[in-house]
Amino acid sequence: SQKIEQNSEALNIQEGKTATLTCNYTNYSPAYLQWYRQDPGRGPVFLLLIRENEKEKRKERLKVTFDTTLKQSLFHITASQPADSATYLCALAPLGNKFYFGSGTKLNVKP
Amino acid sequence: SQTIHQWPATLVQPVGSPLSLECTVEGTSNPNLYWYRQAAGRGLQLLFYSVGIGQISSEVPQNLSASRPQDRQFILSSKKLLLSDSGFYLCAWTSGRADEQFFGPGTRLTVL
Repeated sequence: SQKIEQNSEALNIQEGKTATLTCNYTNYSPAYLQWYRQDPGRGPVFLLLIRENEKEKRKERLKVTFDTTLKQSLFHITASQPADSATYLCALAPLGNKFYFGSGTKLNVKP
Repeated sequence: SQTIHQWPATLVQPVGSPLSLECTVEGTSNPNLYWYRQAAGRGLQLLFYSVGIGQISSEVPQNLSASRPQDRQFILSSKKLLLSDSGFYLCAWTSGRADEQFFGPGTRLTVL
């Protein structure tokens, strides 16, 4: 069966450090992989998209890598801040109009 | 600019009662529309998506249904709610290129 796995345990880091979140998938050949941020009680907000032919994408303090051989994406937040505390979701778009989400990893950045 | 609305924001319904959740999008035309459900502490489960008026694709067989009576309106319905229908329901839209999704504020449904 198709699976998208994110670490279900919360990631606790100190302010200023780099947070690294992992998204692993099986049985997909995604054209896109996306990362979203979700705050409690709110809808997810799009952060970054990376395509299958891209290895890395950056946006300000965010960096995403995509390894289609390992079937893995890594999401990095450098110089993390308490305001970065949220749940981060990865999503795959294997076929045109459909998106499949992981369960998310909660990030806690402590001052 | 584009905006997406969902209502109601919260809903408490008894088991066996009907359901109607509405989602509307402003500022764009011919969007792809999506309904997701998120159980507590879980990821988003794709329920339905639509690429045009009257065109609905169902991802998970269940007692829910969806309709798209107008280009920018997407409705989620049920004739008889189950306890397992409780969750956070999110509507989202994308342009036709299947890039980033824009989510609505969500509806928190509790079935008692």
